[in-house]
Amino acid sequence: DAKTTQPNSMESNEEEPVHLPCNHSTISGTDYIHWYRQLPSQGPEYVIHGLTSNVNNRMASLAIAEDRKSSTLILHRATLRDAAVYYCILRDYKGGGSNYKLTFGKGTLLTVNP
Amino acid sequence: DAGVTQSPTHLIKTRGQQVTLRCSPKSGHDTVSWYQQALGQGPQFIFQYYEEEERQRGNFPDRFSGHQFPNYSSELNVNALLLGDSALYLCASSGGGHQETQYFGPGTRLLVL
Repeated sequence: DAKTTQPNSMESNEEEPVHLPCNHSTISGTDYIHWYRQLPSQGPEYVIHGLTSNVNNRMASLAIAEDRKSSTLILHRATLRDAAVYYCILRDYKGGGSNYKLTFGKGTLLTVNP
Repeated sequence: DAGVTQSPTHLIKTRGQQVTLRCSPKSGHDTVSWYQQALGQGPQFIFQYYEEEERQRGNFPDRFSGHQFPNYSSELNVNALLLGDSALYLCASSGGGHQETQYFGPGTRLLVL
């Protein structure tokens, strides 16, 4: 499975934007970039995913480098509720719908200061 | 609409015992994946069930087995428990039009003494 590299931890202030980086230099052409987050004492929660183009949803934005070797998850205005471990994952698309597994690394622990 | 549910929430067992964990997928989902999360680590994929069969398996010994029922719910069984099996066990469901994302349950915290 293709590997991702993330900083162990990052810190932000409430209501400020947060940019969480992820390096994936060995990404293949069929790998989707997924982001999940895990709040304390909860299971992981889907945040966003993309293949080549930048993506936006109600939770965050995903900026993907042109060569796809890195990406950045952007939280536009951090809240205390955004404090969590954020995982950047490469999902190999096997062309079979739900036929894939998620390979988690250690993720980035985001601390949000009030 | 209930999300993914798991039972029990917590469990304490002793070495050598057997345990069964249960998962009900999100409504409309037909695929269930199981993950093990040790303290301070990211979740590790155990296996995935689809159409009542194991479709993919991670690097876990045969002591870990599972089952999927016709209503898509699933069980994870672990035999001959070891201290190292202490972890949070997560169930995730997908499929049925939401194939590109997995929705996780809150997990079952297993402690092996």
